[in-house]
Amino acid sequence: GQNIDQPTEMTATEGAIVQINCTYQTSGFNGLFWYQQHAGEAPTFLSYNVLDGLEEKGRFSSFLSRSKGYSYLLLKELQMKDSASYLCAVLDSNYQLIWGAGTKLIIKP
Amino acid sequence: EADIYQTPRYLVIGTGKKITLECSQTMGHDKMYWYQQDPGMELHLIHYSYGVNSTEKGDLSSESTVSRIRTEHFPLTLESARPSHTSQYLCASSRGQEVNEQFFGPGTRLTVL
Repeated sequence: GQNIDQPTEMTATEGAIVQINCTYQTSGFNGLFWYQQHAGEAPTFLSYNVLDGLEEKGRFSSFLSRSKGYSYLLLKELQMKDSASYLCAVLDSNYQLIWGAGTKLIIKP
Repeated sequence: EADIYQTPRYLVIGTGKKITLECSQTMGHDKMYWYQQDPGMELHLIHYSYGVNSTEKGDLSSESTVSRIRTEHFPLTLESARPSHTSQYLCASSRGQEVNEQFFGPGTRLTVL
């Protein structure tokens, strides 16, 4: 079956750095997405990785290792507004998105 | 900011009622999707469409139906609502190429009593 694993919840301090991991087992791979979802709101796109390596976009970076079936989202200089759920999603061989349950990130002052 | 709209935002109805959740996008996207999401859980794809007159069922078995008569409009209908249908319903769209991010509407939170 297809499976996406992320930690359920993480806590970090304002101004710090946090890494949210995602491991996946899917039928085929056509890329991995990270989305941010604030409570009660819709997901918004953060990043897309299809090749191995690190993609940096401002305070957020995303890393992919296809051989390990692994990705992480790195958030730097954490702000209170970064408190949200972070969803990992993999595009499978049929170009369908398989979603993880998300990691709830709690930022403390 | 994505131009994708859903109505109603909140709906509370009784068991057995027929309801239609509306979704419209003004971006000219070919692909549209309906997801169901319970609090703290993953998104489950219930229907999708790759263009006008194209509709497919997703990986989550659903008693709902969809139609795609116009590019911009992708309504979802429940013929007879049940308490088990209580959930958040999210509509999304993406451009026609194979790999593009999905833009989400604000969602409809449905409660069936």
